Amino acid sequence: EPEVTQTPSHQVTQMGQEVILRCVPISNHLYFYWYRQILGQKVEFLVSFYNNEISEKSEIFDDQFSVERPDGSNFTLKIRSTKLEDSAMYFCASSPQAAQFFGPGTRLTVL
Amino acid sequence: AQSVTQPDIHITVSEGASLELRCNYSYGATPYLFWYVQSPGQGLQLLLKYFSGDTLVQGIKGFEAEFKRSQSSFNLRKPSVHWSDAAEYFCAVGAGAAGNKLTFGGGTRVLVKP
Repeated sequence: EPEVTQTPSHQVTQMGQEVILRCVPISNHLYFYWYRQILGQKVEFLVSFYNNEISEKSEIFDDQFSVERPDGSNFTLKIRSTKLEDSAMYFCASSPQAAQFFGPGTRLTVL
Repeated sequence: AQSVTQPDIHITVSEGASLELRCNYSYGATPYLFWYVQSPGQGLQLLLKYFSGDTLVQGIKGFEAEFKRSQSSFNLRKPSVHWSDAAEYFCAVGAGAAGNKLTFGGGTRVLVKP
């Protein structure tokens, strides 16, 4: 059964550094998403992406975040200058329609 | 604004016993409702979804959920729990159109006693 994959599974970075989290969505899905879950808190929506454009974003998704589909398979989330409060589990998801399918997540630790 | 409440943070159930997880939502229009399960170290796996029609929906792993509009609820049930059902369960609501965000509840952690 096709799955969403994410790399790396764990990323440790220093505050102020740039990180890129990578996702490979399910191949015939057209809609892509990023969510995050800070330890002990709810899963929060960050952004959705369709047809090479952001279709919806939350107030969390400020100018330090960006998303890109650099080729036909990858979907990336870039955080330009990480802050301590960016430490969280980041989930990628994809969907053919309304039901979203999630990857295993990348745990980002900012020191 | 849409929101989801899962009143139970932890539930402990004996293996073979029934399980019910509560979910209440707030949404201005007809909601699209989902239950996801997260096992340790795993991603969020879709258990079932409700879009319209029959208010009792069947999902994978023997789970079912019932949509009750009058109570703004979408409770998840399983008649007989297996040890492998120990996990965290998340209820989510969405607008329904592809590309729209999901809003998640805080999750319910299920522990299964032998």
